[in-house]
Amino acid sequence: DTEVTQTPKHLVMGMTNKKSLKCEQHMGHRAMYWYKQKAKKPPELMFVYSYEKLSINESVPSRFSPECPNSSLLNLHLHALQPEDSALYLCASSPVLGRRGRSELFFGSGTQLSVL
Amino acid sequence: DAKTTQPPSMDCAEGRAANLPCNHSTISGNEYVYWYRQIHSQGPQYIIHGLKNNETNEMASLIITEDRKSSTLILPHATLRDTAVYYCIVRIGSGNTGKLIFGQGTTLQVKP
Repeated sequence: DTEVTQTPKHLVMGMTNKKSLKCEQHMGHRAMYWYKQKAKKPPELMFVYSYEKLSINESVPSRFSPECPNSSLLNLHLHALQPEDSALYLCASSPVLGRRGRSELFFGSGTQLSVL
Repeated sequence: DAKTTQPPSMDCAEGRAANLPCNHSTISGNEYVYWYRQIHSQGPQYIIHGLKNNETNEMASLIITEDRKSSTLILPHATLRDTAVYYCIVRIGSGNTGKLIFGQGTTLQVKP
């Protein structure tokens, strides 16, 4: 199984709602990532988890709250979002990045989020 | 952080080689260069990576200049399915602080 599965594929939410994005992988990868991608722009890194611990937070606003309950699951909790937060949210996983060797990221297909 | 520069778009005839350039003039000695592509409404897909030697796999070849300030991704026989946005990425750091920073990408249009 070389898939990263993201649910839901599409999400529409109001600015007062609370919702969660889910990501799952069963490749035994111990690093997981959240990226945000606006239309016609490259993906931007948001968070990196390594061995279920948050290792990188790219100064993301607190209305985005990541969670890694176990080595296969990664969640992104959303609260009080703004319309400008509408984007494609991509999850990825990889073996923990060593100094050498192949350690590519495997990406899911993303959740297309619209904030009204 | 090291950054990459790519042309915004390129065309290629089907069956011909597609050569996609990337500048990474501020890359440091331990930073790898990765290439990914993204087909519309899908997640990015890994293609190839390298440090200083040229690399080849079943999808593509990667040519890195001796000074490591630029590289070229070569798709030897482009097909219509290779139409996508191609990202040249520098991996910064290792272990649990390593991260991939995407450049702006090149939109490759393969034409029949």
